[in-house]
Amino acid sequence: GESVGLHLPTLSVQEGDNSIINCAYSNSASDYFIWYKQESGKGPQFIIDIRSNMDKRQGQRVTVLLNKTVKHLSLQIAATQPGDSAVYFCAEIGGSNYKLTFGKGTLLTVNP
Amino acid sequence: KAGVTQTPRYLIKTRGQQVTLSCSPISGHRSVSWYQQTPGQGLQFLFEYFSETQRNKGNFPGRFSGRQFSNSRSEMNVSTLELGDSALYLCASSLLVWAGGVNTDTQYFGPGTRLTVL
Repeated sequence: GESVGLHLPTLSVQEGDNSIINCAYSNSASDYFIWYKQESGKGPQFIIDIRSNMDKRQGQRVTVLLNKTVKHLSLQIAATQPGDSAVYFCAEIGGSNYKLTFGKGTLLTVNP
Repeated sequence: KAGVTQTPRYLIKTRGQQVTLSCSPISGHRSVSWYQQTPGQGLQFLFEYFSETQRNKGNFPGRFSGRQFSNSRSEMNVSTLELGDSALYLCASSLLVWAGGVNTDTQYFGPGTRLTVL
């Protein structure tokens, strides 16, 4: 069935390193993808999105890569900072009814 | 500009009861979406309201319902509560109908209401 999953439930990095968070999706009809950041006690915060007609999009310190061939999405965070510590999850939208599906999330911990 | 607000922030109910949660969107936003977040299932889309009309609906039983008022404020109701309904309920607002990325308008989430069913 349709699903969005994350390869790693936790990721620990050193401050200043680059972080890569991965996401696999199975619905080939998905045409819009979003990455969210959720800090403890807060609601999700939009980070960056990408449409299926693109394979890369850059924001401030973040880059999203989309590989439609293998149905894989990744979020790259450059020069990771302690404030980046949070749960990150991807979401996909696809299908005729634009069903929104979220991944389970990856906990990113940045060590000082 | 004030963000999305949700009330109450915490709620404890018992099985069989019903509950109503409230969400006030960002001023000027006309779309409100509701989500359920649990450790096991993650974030799941419940429904979206725009201009007092439900525009999109997730795969939840009829016990979950919502409505939107003329001032764009929205309420979500869960009847006959079950233990499995314990979750963080989030609402998000956007300027336009969000309904699955038809537009690129950003959704802004509130802090959520933590519902515990005993």
